[in-house]
Amino acid sequence: DAGVIQSPRHEVTEMGQEVTLRCKPISGHNSLFWYRQTMMRGLELLIYFNNNVPIDDSGMPEDRFSAKMPNASFSTLKIQPSEPRDSAVYFCASTPGTANEKLFFGSGTQLSVL
Amino acid sequence: EDKVVQSPLSLVVHEGDTVTLNCSYEVTNFRSLLWYKQEKKAPTFLFMLTSSGIEKKSGRLSSILDKKELFSILNITATQTGDSAIYLCALSIQGAQKLVFGQGTRLTINP
Repeated sequence: DAGVIQSPRHEVTEMGQEVTLRCKPISGHNSLFWYRQTMMRGLELLIYFNNNVPIDDSGMPEDRFSAKMPNASFSTLKIQPSEPRDSAVYFCASTPGTANEKLFFGSGTQLSVL
Repeated sequence: EDKVVQSPLSLVVHEGDTVTLNCSYEVTNFRSLLWYKQEKKAPTFLFMLTSSGIEKKSGRLSSILDKKELFSILNITATQTGDSAIYLCALSIQGAQKLVFGQGTRLTINP
C-alpha cells in the first residue's frame, strides 16, 4: 500500500498567488481529513470528507480556503489569494469507514508564502 | 469547547532516562484518547485508550488513561535517540468524526 500521497512536498510562493495542494487517500478509505500544523497552534483540523461529501468545514480559516473531493481517490485544498500567515505544513489523512481514531497521514506539504 | 493540553511542551533528557509525558483534556462526549508520534513529517499512531486503568504497552512505551481525573500519561523507559520526536495526544469525540489534537510535547534525547 502506497499510503496517503500528497503533492507537492514543498511549495514556495508569493503573497497573492493561488496555491493548490493535492491528496490521494489510501484506496478503500472513506474519510479524508485536511489538517494544518504550525508551531503556534499545533495541528488543527480544517475540513473533513466522508464518502466525498464535506461534513465539517468549520476549521477552514476564511473564504480564501476551499477544498474539494471530486472522487474517492483525490482531494484538493486551495488557497486563493495566499498570505504569509498561511505558511504551515498541511497534512492530508485518511481512515476507513467512519472510524476516525487511527488516522493515516500523508507526508505533508510545507507551504511558505513570501 | 473540547480541549487537549499537553505538558511539558518541550523536554530534553539523556539517553537511558525514563520520561513521562502528560495529556489532560476537557470534553463533552469522550470516546477515546490517542497518542501519536511525529518524527520528521507525518504523525504515526501509537496507542488508543478507551477505558480507565488499563495500561497499553508496546516495547518501552506504555500509556494509561484516567477518565475520572481526565488525563493520560505516556511513559518511555530506557530512552534512545530514536525516541526524539513530537508526541501528540488527541481526543476522539462521540458523535463527531474528527480528532482534536494537543499542542504536542517535543522530546529530545541526547546521547
